[in-house]
Amino acid sequence: DTGVSQDPRHKITKRGQNVTFRCDPISEHNRLYWYRQTLGQGPEFLTYFQNEAQLEKSRLLSDRFSAERPKGSFSTLEIQRTEQGDSAMYLCASSHRTYNEQFFGPGTRLTVL
Amino acid sequence: TQLLEQSPQFLSIQEGENLTVYCNSSSVFSSLQWYRQEPGEGPVLLVTVVTGGEVKKLKRLTFQFGDARKDSSLHITAAQPGDTGLYLCAGVDEKLTFGTGTRLTIIP
Repeated sequence: DTGVSQDPRHKITKRGQNVTFRCDPISEHNRLYWYRQTLGQGPEFLTYFQNEAQLEKSRLLSDRFSAERPKGSFSTLEIQRTEQGDSAMYLCASSHRTYNEQFFGPGTRLTVL
Repeated sequence: TQLLEQSPQFLSIQEGENLTVYCNSSSVFSSLQWYRQEPGEGPVLLVTVVTGGEVKKLKRLTFQFGDARKDSSLHITAAQPGDTGLYLCAGVDEKLTFGTGTRLTIIP
C-alpha cells in the first residue's frame, strides 16, 4: 500500500452535471476525511467517516453534496447539479483513530464550465 | 470562516537567506500542525506541536508554539530551492482547520 489514492485526478464538467470522486485510504486507517481547497487558500473540512459512519459534516456541504463509505474502506463524494463555484481541488485524507496524523491523497481537481 | 491567519501570504527570497512564517489562531486547539504542499499534491505533515512554549527542530526548520497555544511560527535557516511550496498551519481536533497558507518561493 503506497498511500491514499484518488480518482480521477482531474475532472472537467459542464454546469448542472453530476460528478463522483473516489478515494481509497491507507488500508489499516479507519478514519477518512474530505476537504476542499480553492486556489490560493488552505483546505476546508467537508466531512469525515470513522469506518462506515459519517460522524461530522461541515455546513459547507450543501444538500447537493453527498459522501459515502459503504464498507468502511473506499469513499465516494458526489456533487449533483454542479455550479461554477464548485470548482476546486477535492482532497481526501485518512488516519488511524488513535493518531493525529492525516495522510493526504493527491486530490481531484474539478473544473466546472 | 478561517480561524487561523498566516503571514505573510506570499514570500519570495534568495537561496541562503533565512525566513519566518507566522500562524495566529483565534481558538485554542488540542495541537497544531504544520504542513507543506507542492503543486498537484496533497499536504504533507512536517511537525505537530502540543505544549505551550514548545520548540521543535527538523533539520533547517524550527517550529515554535506560543505559550498561550494560539500562535506558532516556522523559521527556515539557509533556505534552499527545495523549500519552495505552500506552507500551511492547521489546528487539530477531530478534524483539521487549516490556515490561509504562505506561498514560499526560493530563488536560486
